[in-house]
Amino acid sequence: GAGVSQSPRYKVAKRGQDVALRCDPISGHVSLFWYQQALGQGPEFLTYFQNEAQLDKSGLPSDRFFAERPEGSVSTLKIQRTQQEDSAVYLCASSFRVWTGELFFGEGSRLTVL
Amino acid sequence: SQQGEEDPQALSIQEGENATMNCSYKTSINNLQWYRQNSGRGLVHLILIRSNEREKHSGRLRVTLDTSKKSSSLLITASRAADTASYFCAYAGGAGGTSYGKLTFGQGTILTVHP
Repeated sequence: GAGVSQSPRYKVAKRGQDVALRCDPISGHVSLFWYQQALGQGPEFLTYFQNEAQLDKSGLPSDRFFAERPEGSVSTLKIQRTQQEDSAVYLCASSFRVWTGELFFGEGSRLTVL
Repeated sequence: SQQGEEDPQALSIQEGENATMNCSYKTSINNLQWYRQNSGRGLVHLILIRSNEREKHSGRLRVTLDTSKKSSSLLITASRAADTASYFCAYAGGAGGTSYGKLTFGQGTILTVHP
């Protein structure tokens, strides 16, 4: 596709459920980032992939959060045993080179945990 | 939180007026960028200024960077109602900086432009 695609756009989960959020980056983009954006705040870094390698997961808030990009293209962010504080918009971004500056963002997946 | 600081938090102006938003950060940087986010949408890159640059222009946008004060400003001239959005600064680099462009975002300025 022409841009970064994320699904689902909206997800409502009951506390304790597992969720999976998908990101399709722009074709050929090497770098992929996941960010978490709480209401009224700026995005906060979660994790970074260079192709299939997860090089930085320092922003993942707990071991309930897990991300993968097994073939170096599509990525999935999984949250196990969701808690109310996990409610946020999860943004995926990609870039063509390892170091290019500009990131291309998807529309985000809004997660609401009840 | 490691977020940068932006001010004002909210700005309300009339069409045709200029809008200025400020960003401060705490670490050394490789570059600083500005992004725009319409309500419920993703972020769109506006402009990037490198640490060795002091000013940059793109259309109606003007960005300045003062590395001695660790601050940047975004000026939107002759604003339009369609400029209504949230604006975020984001910076890459720092003492523990990475080589892959990990960005730290500010908390954003909500700009409302009235027709």
